[in-house]
Amino acid sequence: SQKIEQNSEALNIQEGKTATLTCNYTNYSPAYLQWYRQDPGRGPVFLLLIRENEKEKRKERLKVTFDTTLKQSLFHITASQPADSATYLCAPGDDYKLSFGAGTTVTVRA
Amino acid sequence: GAVVSQHPSWVICKSGTSVKIECRSLDFQATTMFWYRQFPKQSLMLMATSNEGSKATYEQGVEKDKFLINHASLTLSTLTVTSAHPEDSSFYICSARIPPGTVPSTDTQYFGPGTRLTVL
Repeated sequence: SQKIEQNSEALNIQEGKTATLTCNYTNYSPAYLQWYRQDPGRGPVFLLLIRENEKEKRKERLKVTFDTTLKQSLFHITASQPADSATYLCAPGDDYKLSFGAGTTVTVRA
Repeated sequence: GAVVSQHPSWVICKSGTSVKIECRSLDFQATTMFWYRQFPKQSLMLMATSNEGSKATYEQGVEKDKFLINHASLTLSTLTVTSAHPEDSSFYICSARIPPGTVPSTDTQYFGPGTRLTVL
């Protein structure tokens, strides 16, 4: 069965540094991969989508890479700010269905 | 754009009662909506896919008679938890898919704020 693993449950970083989150998947060949942000007690908020034929995508301070050979996506938050503190969810998808990882909680210290 | 609302945001009920949760797409028509459940510190688990005007498709292990889904219009899907028990206590989240041909991406799902259900 499909398995989606996000590298760690928690990541603590200093303000201004780059946070790098990893998402690995097995037994799966997704057509695209999405990243979402989730704050406590709230629904996920869409951040970025990257397709299988794209290697990298950027949006403001966010960067996502997608390596279908390694079955891995990396999510970077550059120049991190305390407001970036949240749980980030990786969600590979195929057709219209998404499968979610458990998330990595990022805490940015001022 | 692409706003999805849920009502109620939280609900407490007694064991054995039924609870209805509404999911609305406010500024777009959603032919497909999804219902997820999330337990603390766990990932979102897809329960069912709701298509307007047809029966919902349930994921393996989800009891369709317990979790009734109705998608009667292009902007509203409802989830009814029937005969709720304490183990049904969870965070229920809906999402809606932008219809094909609409920007930005047709594969993006937009999520509601979630409903916290507590069954006593």
